[in-house]
Amino acid sequence: AQTVTQSQPEMSVQEAETVTLSCTYDTSESDYYLFWYKQPPSRQMILVIRQEAYKQQNATENRFSVNFQKAAKSFSLKISDSQLGDAAMYFCAYRSEAGGGADGLTFGKGTHLIIQP
Amino acid sequence: GAVVSQHPSWVICKSGTSVKIECRSLDFQATTMFWYRQFPKQSLMLMATSNEGSKATYEQGVEKDKFLINHASLTLSTLTVTSAHPEDSSFYICSAGQGDSPLHFGNGTRLTVT
Repeated sequence: AQTVTQSQPEMSVQEAETVTLSCTYDTSESDYYLFWYKQPPSRQMILVIRQEAYKQQNATENRFSVNFQKAAKSFSLKISDSQLGDAAMYFCAYRSEAGGGADGLTFGKGTHLIIQP
Repeated sequence: GAVVSQHPSWVICKSGTSVKIECRSLDFQATTMFWYRQFPKQSLMLMATSNEGSKATYEQGVEKDKFLINHASLTLSTLTVTSAHPEDSSFYICSAGQGDSPLHFGNGTRLTVT
């Protein structure tokens, strides 16, 4: 079974600064997907960024980028130029590729990101 | 973009009654949908995988007779919490996708059992 670990229950950053959220995972598989989801107080799950394990290049989406280290099983999220709207719970998630879409997501416990104005 | 609709968004029921939650994929066909449960200030836990036209697959520790899942069509999966008790009070979220595409989540259902 796969596990996802987020060791930072809460992080705080000044507006416009950069923050990095940590995530490690454990798996015996070689093909999988990794995700970061944002959950604001509305509790809607919003996809922030996705990484395919076979891709060496780190995914980026505007101010959001990841540092994917497959050998170390590490998948951190960097948020640049933090904005007040970035405040939310952030969940790291794993999904196996072996099932061809039949597998759900395994989530970490989440990191509560606070943006200081 | 792909949208997943979940209904109701919140429901209050009395202990011992059953509650049905619907999850619909609005603009795509979903052969597989997923049901998650989230307790306050905790993460999402996968409860079961809903398969169109066949039985759902439940995660270890999830009572299949308690949480009935029906996936009658390619756009609709339902989760019925049977004989609900206060400990079943939680936030239930569904998700769906096509193949290996990113999963889209419904807005969730807040269930309160009194």
